Amino acid sequence: DSGVTQTPKHLITATGQRVTLRCSPRSGDLSVYWYQQSLDQGLQFLIQYYNGEERAKGNILERFSAQQFPDLHSELNLSSLELGDSALYFCASSGANYGYTFGSGTRLTVV
Amino acid sequence: SQQGEEDPQALSIQEGENATMNCSYKTSINNLQWYRQNSGRGLVHLILIRSNEREKHSGRLRVTLDTSKKSSSLLITASRAADTASYFCATPWAGNNDMRFGAGTRLTVKP
Repeated sequence: DSGVTQTPKHLITATGQRVTLRCSPRSGDLSVYWYQQSLDQGLQFLIQYYNGEERAKGNILERFSAQQFPDLHSELNLSSLELGDSALYFCASSGANYGYTFGSGTRLTVV
Repeated sequence: SQQGEEDPQALSIQEGENATMNCSYKTSINNLQWYRQNSGRGLVHLILIRSNEREKHSGRLRVTLDTSKKSSSLLITASRAADTASYFCATPWAGNNDMRFGAGTRLTVKP
């Protein structure tokens, strides 16, 4: 157990639907990062939150959004899903020192 | 956008041999990190090397950093079947501490 909890572990949904992925960071970590990993794109940075505020944005589609709540957990919302959104979605957290702690990921399958 | 690129893309060796993976990156960095990912699992932080360090050891791992060449290498000595995984280098992007990952080296260690 890395200390970063992601739910659900697996998700199967239809095209056009909306899903929410949840991440609880390691205790004490203020930063949360979301990554998408697909076979042909590698690990792509989506977005970072620090203590509730958006800190950095990567290749995140407009159909995707995220937020970090006062208790520091984060949610990644994916809407109008397409087949190409099928991927592993990882959350990572970090504290004052460098080095990320990753969750075990959510495997999203869009059918 | 990706910052680092690992080389080779895939590496297959026998147990007991050494494995060397290389990473090249594009911009100036203050640190570089290596991660391991077992198939379909979350990434695990292995080692961090700062820009003012040239070499760092952790157990059977040795990491070097050459900032003049914008490159790093990860050496795993006396490899074991359990070292079979994908290995990624990661570097900070654009002055933030959000890390960007390369496409990874897939290492297979045959017993």
